[in-house]
Amino acid sequence: DQQVKQNSPSLSVQEGRISILNCDYTNSMFDYFLWYKKYPAEGPTFLISISSIKDKNEDGRFTVFLNKSAKHLSLHIVPSQPGDSAVYFCAASVSSGATNKLIFGTGTLLAVQP
Amino acid sequence: NAGVMQNPRHLVRRRGQEARLRCSPVKGHSHVYWYRQLPEEGLKFMVYLQKENIIDESGMPKERFSAEFPKEGPSILRIQQVVRGDSAAYFCASSPGQGRTSPLHFGNGTRLTVT
Repeated sequence: DQQVKQNSPSLSVQEGRISILNCDYTNSMFDYFLWYKKYPAEGPTFLISISSIKDKNEDGRFTVFLNKSAKHLSLHIVPSQPGDSAVYFCAASVSSGATNKLIFGTGTLLAVQP
Repeated sequence: NAGVMQNPRHLVRRRGQEARLRCSPVKGHSHVYWYRQLPEEGLKFMVYLQKENIIDESGMPKERFSAEFPKEGPSILRIQQVVRGDSAAYFCASSPGQGRTSPLHFGNGTRLTVT
């Protein structure tokens, strides 16, 4: 029962172009969403988050968009840089827990070509 | 400022042995989470602990797995009588508070291989 889905296992983008990573969820109780980046042999690092009361959150080159009616969120990276090459995980949580118990997707491997 | 420290980085155990994974959270963080990543899958929540207390263990297998976070010392994830299906990367994370505005800080994981 995969409540958070990242249907693209991999994505290849040219340096300087936009990277768009997608994430779908099935649980309508989710109200907080996060993106984590993970390099090989390292732990995930927090990138950006969004609450369900918003539809967009921006931090530098990273923007997360949330479409609640479609139960879909996306991460835009622009311009993409070779150092952005990593696995990106989408994660979600529900407010009732009030904890950091996150449900993760399976990840998308982003490769930014120089 | 040290981040979350996990050791060992790699652990090889034969079937039936015990595995003990250690996690030292970021200094000042009193909330610890354990996640497991099986091959080709995302991270799966296992357990959430505060000092000396297990708050949520809903993701822990019912048998063979236990976790603790004592008043002094690191958090320990213990797996008794390991089986091949326990082979995975185990990540520990910590946060200063329990609210969701405190993003998790992850360690680099312990890769357990059961032969």
